[in-house]
Amino acid sequence: AQSVTQLDSHVSVSEGTPVLLRCNYSSSYSPSLFWYVQHPNKGLQLLLKYTSAATLVKGINGFEAEFKKSETSFHLTKPSAHMSDAAEYFCVVITMDTGRRALTFGSGTRLQVQP
Amino acid sequence: DAGVIQSPRHEVTEMGQEVTLRCKPISGHDYLFWYRQTMMRGLELLIYFNNNVPIDDSGMPEDRFSAKMPNASFSTLKIQPSEPRDSAVYFCASSSRTGAIGYTFGSGTRLTVV
Repeated sequence: AQSVTQLDSHVSVSEGTPVLLRCNYSSSYSPSLFWYVQHPNKGLQLLLKYTSAATLVKGINGFEAEFKKSETSFHLTKPSAHMSDAAEYFCVVITMDTGRRALTFGSGTRLQVQP
Repeated sequence: DAGVIQSPRHEVTEMGQEVTLRCKPISGHDYLFWYRQTMMRGLELLIYFNNNVPIDDSGMPEDRFSAKMPNASFSTLKIQPSEPRDSAVYFCASSSRTGAIGYTFGSGTRLTVV
């Protein structure tokens, strides 16, 4: 079985300050982990992915995430928030257990960026 | 590549009517997924296909929902009869065999059943 928990439903930061969106996962198999972003009334866009290569993954728009197996975490960070980062972010875990693709979304974290 | 294409973008229909949502996946992608997004339940996987064959439809809410993939470039999600609680944004996504590049989502269909 697999699951993903996003620890914060809302995060508010000031423009120019660091962003931390937290995600913990559980998986019986080696997972692939993703972060997606959804801007208001838009579809889902892939930010970055981890697929068992480097544990520090760099994505688009200055975001990065670090896979920590010992902590079963895959937190999303950005050194300096921009107003355009305001959106909802989803942590996603995918495993290939029993050969069937299983995709699990977290409940989402809404990021607000204050001027 | 035009990405995953969904139609229509918006659909407003009366309760009891049949609704058909359409999806064209990215060419060459072997997997196609249908998701539903609501405020209450977040993103839910409804069904997914591999090489046009339905693999897991355990997320389909009830018999009113059905999905087909007659060929590699087209899928439909049908609701008959529709109910107000079906109002949601429905997303289609596709991915390659390995899924290593992640899933590419369409822009979604916003369905409102009145």
